[in-house]
Amino acid sequence: AQSVTQLDSQVPVFEEAPVELRCNYSSSVSVYLFWYVQYPNQGLQLLLKYLSGSTLVESINGFEAEFNKSQTSFHLRKPSVHISDTAEYFCAVSHNAGNMLTFGGGTRLMVKP
Amino acid sequence: EPEVTQTPSHQVTQMGQEVILRCVPISNHLYFYWYRQILGQKVEFLVSFYNNEISEKSEIFDDQFSVERPDGSNFTLKIRSTKLEDSAMYFCASSLAGAYNEQFFGPGTRLTVL
Repeated sequence: AQSVTQLDSQVPVFEEAPVELRCNYSSSVSVYLFWYVQYPNQGLQLLLKYLSGSTLVESINGFEAEFNKSQTSFHLRKPSVHISDTAEYFCAVSHNAGNMLTFGGGTRLMVKP
Repeated sequence: EPEVTQTPSHQVTQMGQEVILRCVPISNHLYFYWYRQILGQKVEFLVSFYNNEISEKSEIFDDQFSVERPDGSNFTLKIRSTKLEDSAMYFCASSLAGAYNEQFFGPGTRLTVL
């Protein structure tokens, strides 16, 4: 069985400040890791994913996440946030024997002017 | 840009009634999924569907639930006899292939059981 923990349910931050959204997982097998973002009244959209290779992955809008196998973490970071980044962020895992996603509880990022 | 669509956006029903939630996945995708999110809780996997059969399902997906791809475009989730605890946001998703492929999510159907 696998599980995902997002330690912070809400993260308030001022515009242009850096942010880190934490994600830890547990699994007995190799996993694929994902961050999804949900804007108000919309479905979940893939932000970035780690499958293999370089442990640092980046999205097109400035987010990055680093896979740390020893700490079983996949934290999401952005050096300077914008108001438009206000959304709910979900960390998720899947394993290569199946295609179901297991989600964390989500972190609501609130960017203030 | 192709997207997953879901209808209705909000469904209100009485306890014990049957409901059918509808989804139109992205046209060339082969894998289809249903997830749900009870208010204030995690997004939970219900079922995945491939090649006209269920490929994986969770403990939540009991005999009250069924899925169907009645034609080449729709993918439906039926709840036979709704319970209060079925109230949730239901998300449909589709992907081109399996495990590590991006799942594209619809906007969700909010089901309220009274």
